[in-house]
Amino acid sequence: AQKVTQAQTEISVVEKEDVTLDCVYETRDTTYYLFWYKQPPSGELVFLIRRNSFDEQNEISGRYSWNFQKSTSSFNFTITASQVVDSAVYFCALSGGSYNTDKLIFGTGTRLQVFP
Amino acid sequence: SQTIHQWPATLVQPVGSPLSLECTVEGTSNPNLYWYRQAAGRGLQLLFYSVGIGQISSEVPQNLSASRPQDRQFILSSKKLLLSDSGFYLCAWSVINNEQFFGPGTRLTVL
Repeated sequence: AQKVTQAQTEISVVEKEDVTLDCVYETRDTTYYLFWYKQPPSGELVFLIRRNSFDEQNEISGRYSWNFQKSTSSFNFTITASQVVDSAVYFCALSGGSYNTDKLIFGTGTRLQVFP
Repeated sequence: SQTIHQWPATLVQPVGSPLSLECTVEGTSNPNLYWYRQAAGRGLQLLFYSVGIGQISSEVPQNLSASRPQDRQFILSSKKLLLSDSGFYLCAWSVINNEQFFGPGTRLTVL
């Protein structure tokens, strides 16, 4: 069965600190996709990144970076020099490549609070 | 560019009343469509997904149903709401093997 675990329920940091959000997944599929979404207080989920299982290169986008490690089944997300606007709930998700429906399995989310 | 709309944005309904939430997508054809529910302070639960007109798959048994009368229209319904149906309902679309894009959501309170 597929599963995504975000063990950190809530993280609080002060502005300009770096913060890493952990994501551990379980799947039997050899082809799969991993995602991160941001949910600001408005509620709408904002897509951040998609990574397929064959691409283990780390990715950096501005202050955001992602570390994908198949050996530990992890897909961690780091925000460098955090800002108040980063305050949100962040969801990690997994989808299997075996089906044509791309159902996403979401973790329970990590609430990040960045204080000024 | 693609956009996804949901309405209403908020809804307060009494127990036992019917429900109809609508989701429409613009700027794409034959998308996969999804309904999720997010209970307060919790993660997202997939309720229904659809790969085409009239094709609906249900993920969990519940008091809700879904329909897809047109390619880019997805409707979530209930004949009689329960208190446990309260939550934040999100519609999403995707094309195969790509990321899902979510609508603004409908916040439903059942009293």
